[in-house]
Amino acid sequence: DAGVTQSPTHLIKTRGQQVTLRCSPKSGHDTVSWYQQALGQGPQFIFQYYEEEERQRGNFPDRFSGHQFPNYSSELNVNALLLGDSALYLCASSRTGGLGNTIYFGEGSWLTVV
Amino acid sequence: LAKTTQPISMDSYEGQEVNITCSHNNIATNDYITWYQQFPSQGPRFIIQGYKTKVTNEVASLFIPADRKSSTLSLPRVSLSDTAVYYCLVGAGNNAGNMLTFGGGTRLMVKP
Repeated sequence: DAGVTQSPTHLIKTRGQQVTLRCSPKSGHDTVSWYQQALGQGPQFIFQYYEEEERQRGNFPDRFSGHQFPNYSSELNVNALLLGDSALYLCASSRTGGLGNTIYFGEGSWLTVV
Repeated sequence: LAKTTQPISMDSYEGQEVNITCSHNNIATNDYITWYQQFPSQGPRFIIQGYKTKVTNEVASLFIPADRKSSTLSLPRVSLSDTAVYYCLVGAGNNAGNMLTFGGGTRLMVKP
């Protein structure tokens, strides 16, 4: 059973460019969340998708947008990249409904903005 | 969202038992307590989750007192490979709009 998979694992972009990161959730999971983790800090919540809609959003500008597809996979898009967007971007998946559903993380996509 | 407080860092030696305590004074009734382990440049890895009393799995134990205002992650006989950052999080397990709020975590250094 594959866990949460993310692509690409590493990428380098130039300031002002746009980037798309992809995530496939763990089998049986229908909810996808995205987190940004700067070097030396804990992950920060960006937003969460369920039933192809953004359900909750953290304190991130509109340059950060996302999408969830009918197969529950998800994309994170960041426009007009800034140097400060350099970070590890983590995707997490879970199953909505009931209590005690564990959230699993992928290995992340390292984004470097130069 | 319940905030958590845990030690910034801890040192231990191989073979010792390590206990990391997390306080979460304003934990809500439906909140579960979850611990993650993270190595550099990798995603957080689920260790253990609990609601009350004691939970044990193949890698750790989680002790939760009756008032649930704190929890203790216990790692038996640590090895060098257990050197990592450990995060304690609380939140509703049903994910209905739930998001995880990470603190700074506890940096565990295991020495030979």
